[in-house]
Amino acid sequence: TQLLEQSPQFLSIQEGENLTVYCNSSSVFSSLQWYRQEPGEGPVLLVTVVTGGEVKKLKRLTFQFGDARKDSSLHITAAQPGDTGLYLCAGGSGNQFYFGTGTSLTVIP
Amino acid sequence: DAGVIQSPRHEVTEMGQEVTLRCKPISGHNSLFWYRQTMMRGLELLIYFNNNVPIDDSGMPEDRFSAKMPNASFSTLKIQPSEPRDSAVYFCASSLLVRGNYGYTFGSGTRLTVV
Repeated sequence: TQLLEQSPQFLSIQEGENLTVYCNSSSVFSSLQWYRQEPGEGPVLLVTVVTGGEVKKLKRLTFQFGDARKDSSLHITAAQPGDTGLYLCAGGSGNQFYFGTGTSLTVIP
Repeated sequence: DAGVIQSPRHEVTEMGQEVTLRCKPISGHNSLFWYRQTMMRGLELLIYFNNNVPIDDSGMPEDRFSAKMPNASFSTLKIQPSEPRDSAVYFCASSLLVRGNYGYTFGSGTRLTVV
């Protein structure tokens, strides 16, 4: 059972554009993580957010945790080809994380 | 640190054969997770260990799957007998659970093809 739905599922944009990826659930999570996965590799942790309403920035990436801790968004400013990959959100409950359906991003030079 | 190490990177086997996937977690991490990734179902948690003890194996598909963690530096996932529907990328991840503030480090995965 998928507890987290991500949208859009696929996204193809030109270099320099901005984009937002959404992660939604009906469940409340104690924390939420975002990962990026490149072909042939495992997911790599980008950020963990734990407080409702929390906003974290990582260079051109801005992550927000919803006030009710059920949803999150990832905003990328001025996307670059190196941002290409599969973006996964993961909601934490205890020591387990449940992964979202993923958003496949392609940034065209 | 070399990170989480999985072997083999690729495995092709015939239906009915036994398959063993191996994982070496990051030294000092106290939790280890086995995931399976497919296009249809995404990342699915199969089982996880805390301090070498299996905590939740409810994600293991059926009795053909088994996992062990004999010590803090080694874990195996075994499929016997294997079936074509087991074809997927299997990931091992480890983490350090400290007051709930932690993150997973994934290995590079084992791509399993059962023909």
